[in-house]
Amino acid sequence: GEDVEQSLFLSVREGDSSVINCTYTDSSSTYLYWYKQEPGAGLQLLTYIFSNMDMKQDQRLTVLLNKKDKHLSLRIADTQTGDSAIYFCAEKNSSASKIIFGSGTRLSIRP
Amino acid sequence: GAVVSQHPSWVICKSGTSVKIECRSLDFQATTMFWYRQFPKQSLMLMATSNEGSKATYEQGVEKDKFLINHASLTLSTLTVTSAHPEDSSFYICSASGELTEAFFGQGTRLTVV
Repeated sequence: GEDVEQSLFLSVREGDSSVINCTYTDSSSTYLYWYKQEPGAGLQLLTYIFSNMDMKQDQRLTVLLNKKDKHLSLRIADTQTGDSAIYFCAEKNSSASKIIFGSGTRLSIRP
Repeated sequence: GAVVSQHPSWVICKSGTSVKIECRSLDFQATTMFWYRQFPKQSLMLMATSNEGSKATYEQGVEKDKFLINHASLTLSTLTVTSAHPEDSSFYICSASGELTEAFFGQGTRLTVV
């Protein structure tokens, strides 16, 4: 079945860039997402990318997709304390309506 | 982005009672709604997918008689946890998807069964 994997933790210094990585197994994934979850809250869609793209940039966020390796990354430039959260990678293919989530990466910011 | 409202945000109930959680899409028509369960420090586990006007599709291992889902309109889906027990305590999150490809999430409901 489909599987999405992420590392569980990432710690970066304030002001540095954060790179969160994700791998997935479904070769027919058509949409790949990054969601942010703050403590006790629901999920906020940060950005998404279609599988026919290899990069998408939105302000401080850059998504890179390597479809051959089934690898997705999220880069957050100039990381701020407000970026502390859990970041979920997710994928969806066009034939299924459900979205499959990774385990989430907890991003912590150190001064 | 589109707004999905989930209510209540938190609920405490006695063991053996039933609890209903509502999920509303406020500014778009949600043809599909998803219900997830999240245990502490874990990822979201998809429980079921519901399409307006039809029966929900439950994931393997999810008891459909225990977690009743109703998607009666294009803006409202409900999840009823029947005869709740302490092991049902969890964070339940709904999401809604319409004509847009992305799904928007509610703020979640923390259920505590005592």
